[in-house]
Amino acid sequence: DGGITQSPKYLFRKEGQNVTLSCEQNLNHDAMYWYRQDPGQGLRLIYYSQIVNDFQKGDIAEGYSVSREKKESFPLTVTSAQKNPTAFYLCASRTNPTYNEQFFGPGTRLTVL
Amino acid sequence: LAKTTQPISMDSYEGQEVNITCSHNNIATNDYITWYQQFPSQGPRFIIQGYKTKVTNEVASLFIPADRKSSTLSLPRVSLSDTAVYYCLVGVKAAGNKLTFGGGTRVLVKP
Repeated sequence: DGGITQSPKYLFRKEGQNVTLSCEQNLNHDAMYWYRQDPGQGLRLIYYSQIVNDFQKGDIAEGYSVSREKKESFPLTVTSAQKNPTAFYLCASRTNPTYNEQFFGPGTRLTVL
Repeated sequence: LAKTTQPISMDSYEGQEVNITCSHNNIATNDYITWYQQFPSQGPRFIIQGYKTKVTNEVASLFIPADRKSSTLSLPRVSLSDTAVYYCLVGVKAAGNKLTFGGGTRVLVKP
């Protein structure tokens, strides 16, 4: 089945530790996105990538880093510089370039203790 | 990017039609209007997209007036399972364009 996978579904980390969230897609999509969602709030864009080896900052990139070495993978690292990392993180991909439909993964809920 | 404004929440009853209006006064000529649905602890799901007039699919209808400064998502005969948050987005259909999700409208369908 084609789709987007995120792992793990729940993640706990101690304050001050970096943590990497996985996002993989087998839809052959060029564009991939990372969003953050806080309780009761909408989605906020962290980073996005239009193509392999290229990515751009979204609206709240501080404290996060990404890489795009393969078309299928777009991992997000939440660094210790991110002041409030506890949130629900969603990865998405999109067919490029003709449509605004994004396909979302199941999300990773990160809790920093 | 064109900003969107939606009601924060709305209630309905099973079997009724739900209409959610989104305001996007600064929509650009090349912008399309897209709606997503999100259930708790899940990623959003694409519902419908349009440019002008009316678009209909098996799930919903999208009404866009001639000036395109607003749009209305219509959900016919809702059921309890339609309780979700609905997001209106505006953006161009272009490579690499980022889409901005606002706060959305929380729809509660009651029995």
